[in-house]
Amino acid sequence: DVQMTQSPSYLAASPGESVSISCKASKSINTYLAWYQEKPGKTNKLLIYSGSTLQSGTPSRFSGSGSGTDFTLTIRSLEPEDFAVYYCQQHNEYPLTFGSGTKLEIK
Amino acid sequence: EVQLVESGGGLVQPGRSLKLSCAASGFTFSNYYMAWVRQAPKKGLEWVATISTSGSRTYYPDSVKGRFTISRDNAKSSLYLQMNSLKSEDTATYYCAREQWSGVMDAWGQGASVTVSS
Repeated sequence: DVQMTQSPSYLAASPGESVSISCKASKSINTYLAWYQEKPGKTNKLLIYSGSTLQSGTPSRFSGSGSGTDFTLTIRSLEPEDFAVYYCQQHNEYPLTFGSGTKLEIK
Repeated sequence: EVQLVESGGGLVQPGRSLKLSCAASGFTFSNYYMAWVRQAPKKGLEWVATISTSGSRTYYPDSVKGRFTISRDNAKSSLYLQMNSLKSEDTATYYCAREQWSGVMDAWGQGASVTVSS
């Protein structure tokens, strides 16, 4: 199985700042990585798939990069609604596997 | 609007069975692979099962293989998860999800809570 290591597990930032979240796969997953956002009271939201493809409706301040084993989610100019938990997930092969999550909080 | 609504959760004793359902609306259900994903209390997401459009192919992680069965009824736009031989570590919120493409989950339900305890 592909193990996904996500870091940091916790991140504090202020609105307007930019942040990056890392996700590393235990073996190459090509570019098949997705990012999701989890917020209380809302259903999970797909932000990015295939490493860098923005899902319809995802604001352009979100971007994804990487290939092989190393991936990054970057959020530029944080908005209040961006404070949430973010998960990476490889979709290169079954079993599908997720990272452990990054909680982004307001500083 | 795409909607996925889970039902059937509850408290169950270890070793017993439970069946979850997911009612889909707002899209052509039979055109999509569907999945179940769970989240244990204070933990991250764990993929549980996927089923192909016709139901002929199913996929599971080792943690549930042989105990859980995913199925679907395209005529009813419904997805199911039969969970047998439940263990305490199966305690989680179970989410129904639509697979947009190759393991990418673009729509999620609100979840159904399952507690396995004596």
